[in-house]
Amino acid sequence: QVQLVESGGGVVQPGRSLRLSCAASGFTFRNYGMHWVRQAPGKGLEWVAVISYDGSIKYYADSVKGRFTISKDNSKNTLYLQMDSLRPEDTAVYFCAGASSGWYGWFDPWGQGTLVTVSS
Amino acid sequence: QSVLTQPPSVSGAPGQRVSISCTGSSSNIGAGYDVHWYQQLPGTAPKVLIYGNNNRPSGVPDRFSGSKSGTSASLAITGLQAEDEADYYCQSYDSSLGGSVFGGGTKLTVL
Repeated sequence: QVQLVESGGGVVQPGRSLRLSCAASGFTFRNYGMHWVRQAPGKGLEWVAVISYDGSIKYYADSVKGRFTISKDNSKNTLYLQMDSLRPEDTAVYFCAGASSGWYGWFDPWGQGTLVTVSS
Repeated sequence: QSVLTQPPSVSGAPGQRVSISCTGSSSNIGAGYDVHWYQQLPGTAPKVLIYGNNNRPSGVPDRFSGSKSGTSASLAITGLQAEDEADYYCQSYDSSLGGSVFGGGTKLTVL
């Protein structure tokens, strides 16, 4: 079945780096753009970044631009989020999600999320 | 402050109808970009409930419906059931920001 599984979350000190992974299965990953979305504890959803199906086009939310890098390896069916210069306000559950119907479409499927805590 | 504005909470008794609004602007909903709705049960990932303003994925009951007009959209839920108690989010694209945007979320309580 269609599945996205995130990994790589954990506790990290401010200013340090972390890389999240999202393993895809059950669908043709190379044909899909992908998003990262985050949710701070007790808060709403915040879109983080999107990448095109072939990895050639990337867009970021202003809150992470210049610090986070989205990438995808179609040979490994895996999406990544490299997070540098982490701040306490980056603490959140990070979800990967498929970009249905292009840039303006809905997010489906979703992974279960991985928690990132930025704290000294 | 979210780009798309939703009421923080709504409530209704079992069997009743509730509506959740999502208000945007001329750079997102008003520009013609589609609105999508998600349901998030406690401790789980969001699930798409309505896509493309008024389309239901297979498996979503027809008690859920969506509409869009001008710079706003709405999600309606009829015949409220206890299992509908969840957080609901609208989502669209914003041309000024160059990315997707979410509403702040609405907590639905079934009385």
